[in-house]
Amino acid sequence: GAVVSQHPSRVICKSGTSVKIECRSLDFQATTMFWYRQFPKQSLMLMATSNEGSKATYEQGVEKDKFLINHASLTLSTLTVTSAHPEDSSFYICSAPQRRTNEKLFFGSGTQLSVL
Amino acid sequence: DAKTTQPPSMDCAEGRAANLPCNHSTISGNEYVYWYRQIHSQGPQYIIHGLKNNETNEMASLIITEDRKSSTLILPHATLRDTAVYYCIVSLNNNDMRFGAGTRLTVKP
Repeated sequence: GAVVSQHPSRVICKSGTSVKIECRSLDFQATTMFWYRQFPKQSLMLMATSNEGSKATYEQGVEKDKFLINHASLTLSTLTVTSAHPEDSSFYICSAPQRRTNEKLFFGSGTQLSVL
Repeated sequence: DAKTTQPPSMDCAEGRAANLPCNHSTISGNEYVYWYRQIHSQGPQYIIHGLKNNETNEMASLIITEDRKSSTLILPHATLRDTAVYYCIVSLNNNDMRFGAGTRLTVKP
């Protein structure tokens, strides 16, 4: 089945640094990808929709200058957390719909970000 | 805003059927009911989805009431590996998946 690969799975960084998370669709093309954030014991919250070749669409309350999204190809979307602070520590998950079936979302395995 | 209501937690004995309910009384005519699950510290996994008819696949069965205001996900023979948070989502398509609180299912030996 279709696979979405997310990297890294875990990252620890110092406050003020930037962190890039990659999301790749391995055996299908994805013109759209989705980025979610999940705090401990909470549900997934949609942050933004990544669109290949155009600007991402951000959910209300998500700072676009803080969370930079780039979707430069049909198989890769990146999320960069700029000037990370401890409150940005969270589990970040990407997903992509399989275009052929358009029935389900495939999710990456997630990235646990810890900002010290 | 989640369009669904699920019990926060449920227990099930290993080998028995797990029946997870979901209320979606405001569902519109062209919205699907999707079910995903999330095992601890992993990305969600698709289980099943349906529009009006009941659906079955290798993982589960989905029973949707005739008025479509509620549904039940059935895991016919729960195993310990089915312990997870189960999310019921109502959406027009897979481009707008918004997760509610879900049901934490614990399968006990």
